[in-house]
Amino acid sequence: AQSVTQPDIHITVSEGASLELRCNYSYGATPYLFWYVQSPGQGLQLLLKYFSGDTLVQGIKGFEAEFKRSQSSFNLRKPSVHWSDAAEYFCAVGANNAGNMLTFGGGTRLMVKP
Amino acid sequence: NAGVTQTPKFQVLKTGQSMTLQCAQDMNHNSMYWYRQDPGMGLRLIYYSASEGTTDKGEVPNGYNVSRLNKREFSLRLESAAPSQTSVYFCASSEGPFGRNEQFFGPGTRLTVL
Repeated sequence: AQSVTQPDIHITVSEGASLELRCNYSYGATPYLFWYVQSPGQGLQLLLKYFSGDTLVQGIKGFEAEFKRSQSSFNLRKPSVHWSDAAEYFCAVGANNAGNMLTFGGGTRLMVKP
Repeated sequence: NAGVTQTPKFQVLKTGQSMTLQCAQDMNHNSMYWYRQDPGMGLRLIYYSASEGTTDKGEVPNGYNVSRLNKREFSLRLESAAPSQTSVYFCASSEGPFGRNEQFFGPGTRLTVL
């Protein structure tokens, strides 16, 4: 069975600073990887996904993530954080056969200082 | 397109009461899911329906039942609510049941069991 670890429960960055959120996964084959964002009181919105091909994927709102197979990681990055990026971020892994649904990490709450 | 809608948004129950959470999607998706979200634990799958007419248990099904009423609607029932079921419940849908399919989430139902 797959698993996802997000080592940082909380992260605080200053507005305009760069951001990296860590995600490590465990899965026997090539995984499908996702990053979702959840604003307060809202549902989850997909930021980006990786299935295959180029290991650097671009998403919405200026986010990108890099798949590193050797490190079993899929870290999310943004070069310059905006106050509106304050939210909770979830990394998820999906298996490639029916019956194995998305497995989510515990989430990282991002706070942005003015 | 409303996407995925959930009712109610908030609910308070007493221990032992029953209730049904409703979910509907207008994207003609085949697969639907119910998750619960608890602090620090990400989202955990309760039940899913890979296609109309089928339902299967997820990671945490105890204390819940589901009904896939038709292709659009997927309800979650708590027969005898317990305080441990206090959580935020999210419904999601996707085109297919595989891990590669993006899941679209509803806004959530915040349930408190006293």
